[in-house]
Amino acid sequence: DGGITQSPKYLFRKEGQNVTLSCEQNLNHDAMYWYRQDPGQGLRLIYYSQIVNDFQKGDIAEGYSVSREKKESFPLTVTSAQKNPTAFYLCASSIPEVGLNQPQHFGDGTRLSIL
Amino acid sequence: AQKVTQAQTEISVVEKEDVTLDCVYETRDTTYYLFWYKQPPSGELVFLIRRNSFDEQNEISGRYSWNFQKSTSSFNFTITASQVVDSAVYFCALSEARDDKIIFGKGTRLHILP
Repeated sequence: DGGITQSPKYLFRKEGQNVTLSCEQNLNHDAMYWYRQDPGQGLRLIYYSQIVNDFQKGDIAEGYSVSREKKESFPLTVTSAQKNPTAFYLCASSIPEVGLNQPQHFGDGTRLSIL
Repeated sequence: AQKVTQAQTEISVVEKEDVTLDCVYETRDTTYYLFWYKQPPSGELVFLIRRNSFDEQNEISGRYSWNFQKSTSSFNFTITASQVVDSAVYFCALSEARDDKIIFGKGTRLHILP
């Protein structure tokens, strides 16, 4: 079955520590996205990538970093510079067709908490 | 600037009642897309519908229906004969044709009471 796999499901971070959230997709989608969801809030875009080896900042990129070395993988690193990292993180992918705006498909999410 | 407003933060209805979730959007573009997603307790967002700005026909899919009205910039979602499994957070979203980014509303948490 094609889909998006995020791991781990739960993650705990100590003060001053960097942590990496994994996102893998086998949908053969070129575009991938990372969102942050806080309680009672909508999804806010952190980073997105429309093609391998290229990515752009979203609305709340500070304190986060990404890489896109392979089409199927888009890991997100939450750095120690992100002072309020506790949130639910969702990864998504889509077929980037300019002007057609195909729907994004989402993983199950990673819940990150501070120890 | 693009914006999506879901004024209803939380709604509770008794099973088998009909319920409508409101969505109002703002955009300066003439070509755009509107979406609805469902987020069950498991967390992943499930895509429900995508509608482009040139197609104002209402759509029905089983117990789900959508009412798109450009005159009021609204894209409302109705669940008929609600069931407990419909309990979830529902997000309305907007994407302008010039890029693939999606702007989400804050969501409406729907409780269907048995």
